[in-house]
Amino acid sequence: QVQLKESGPGLVAPSQSLSITCTVSGFSLTDYGVSWIRQPPGKGLEWLGVIWGGGSTYYNSALKSRLSISKDNSKSQVFLKMNSLQTDDTAMYYCAHGATPFAYWGQGTLVTVSA
Amino acid sequence: NIMMTQSPSSLAVSAGEKVTMSCKSSQSVLYSSNQKNYLAWYQQKPGQSPKLLIYWASTRESGVPDRFTGSGSGTDFTLTISSVQAEDLAVYYCHQYLSSRTFGGGTKLEIK
Repeated sequence: QVQLKESGPGLVAPSQSLSITCTVSGFSLTDYGVSWIRQPPGKGLEWLGVIWGGGSTYYNSALKSRLSISKDNSKSQVFLKMNSLQTDDTAMYYCAHGATPFAYWGQGTLVTVSA
Repeated sequence: NIMMTQSPSSLAVSAGEKVTMSCKSSQSVLYSSNQKNYLAWYQQKPGQSPKLLIYWASTRESGVPDRFTGSGSGTDFTLTISSVQAEDLAVYYCHQYLSSRTFGGGTKLEIK
């Protein structure tokens, strides 16, 4: 069955960069896209971007300059990189199957931005 | 960007009652070429990832109880729970996927 699992650093210092890996199973990254969504503690959902099966990407315009999504099809892994983190980037970061709607989600990885 | 506004922000009902919650988009999410509304609803229970309930505004995801119904078109949408159960305690989010992707702020459902 379709599964996604995020792994991240947990704690990131302000102004540093963030790298999160989403490892998937049950589907091929060449056939389906993977999206990233985040959720600050106690707040709503924010879509970050998507990488499609062919490798093209599409980002939230408000965060585009700080975001990069890539993947390694052979390892079934998708990578999110975000630069210049600030405290308001503290959030649960989720990866999800497809471009929308999102029928399958990972459990999320909590990233805290703090000195 | 299309903005999504949900109301109310929270509501409390007794088990067995009917619940309706609203989602309004700043622009139509109806795509004229296929007459589909690019609107989904998610349920997020405490400590869990969101779960897809409804897509294309009114199509129930497989396995979702039929007490959940999505309706509406264009810019105005509704999620109805016909008879609320204790397990429906959650935050409900609408989500448009016509132009980029945006989520509403959520409606928190509490059970009295």
